[in-house]
Amino acid sequence: QQQVKQSPQSLIVQKGGISIINCAYENTAFDYFPWYQQFPGKGPALLIAIRPDVSEKKEGRFTISFNKSAKQFSLHIMDSQPGDSATYFCAARGVSGTYKYIFGTGTRLKVLA
Amino acid sequence: DAEITQSPRHKITETGRQVTLACHQTWNHNNMFWYRQDLGHGLRLIHYSYGVQDTNKGEVSDGYSVSRSNTEDLPLTLESAASSQTSVYFCASSGGANQPQHFGDGTRLSIL
Repeated sequence: QQQVKQSPQSLIVQKGGISIINCAYENTAFDYFPWYQQFPGKGPALLIAIRPDVSEKKEGRFTISFNKSAKQFSLHIMDSQPGDSATYFCAARGVSGTYKYIFGTGTRLKVLA
Repeated sequence: DAEITQSPRHKITETGRQVTLACHQTWNHNNMFWYRQDLGHGLRLIHYSYGVQDTNKGEVSDGYSVSRSNTEDLPLTLESAASSQTSVYFCASSGGANQPQHFGDGTRLSIL
């Protein structure tokens, strides 16, 4: 119940294309869903986040779509650029009121020039 | 600018040795976390702390310990290093439930 399942493991997209990464969870007590971006040799950095009372959040080229009934959420990267090539992690905050997160296994995105 | 720094960035050691990884943050955050990152497993929580003198076990705490004597530092100790503990270790801090976690750049630890 504490897992967050992320797919695909790796993704190759042409420049200008749309990158889509999906995550699914079991625990309905999760109350905050961030996405992190990680470049080689660096720590993860917060990209965008959403709460379950919102179905979509957009920041620039990055959009989170959230489906509470299906317990799924996804990251869409519009107009993908080579600079977006990185590993992306979804996460879910555990028991409400705590500061612990459960992370997905990561998606390695490569955007071809 | 506030930051979170980890040291060393790379370390090679032998099985059975004690190893300590340092984490120092200047965000003045109460909450600090240690994760390990392995292919196919994402980030797994080792230990965490919500303030000075407070420490808690995460999902993969066996063989690791932490101590919190001040707000800025949360060192991670491997009591007797094992080859299964070869990994990349990340420290993170956050200011509260509605604040993002800020990560350090990691320590790559190899145990031979």
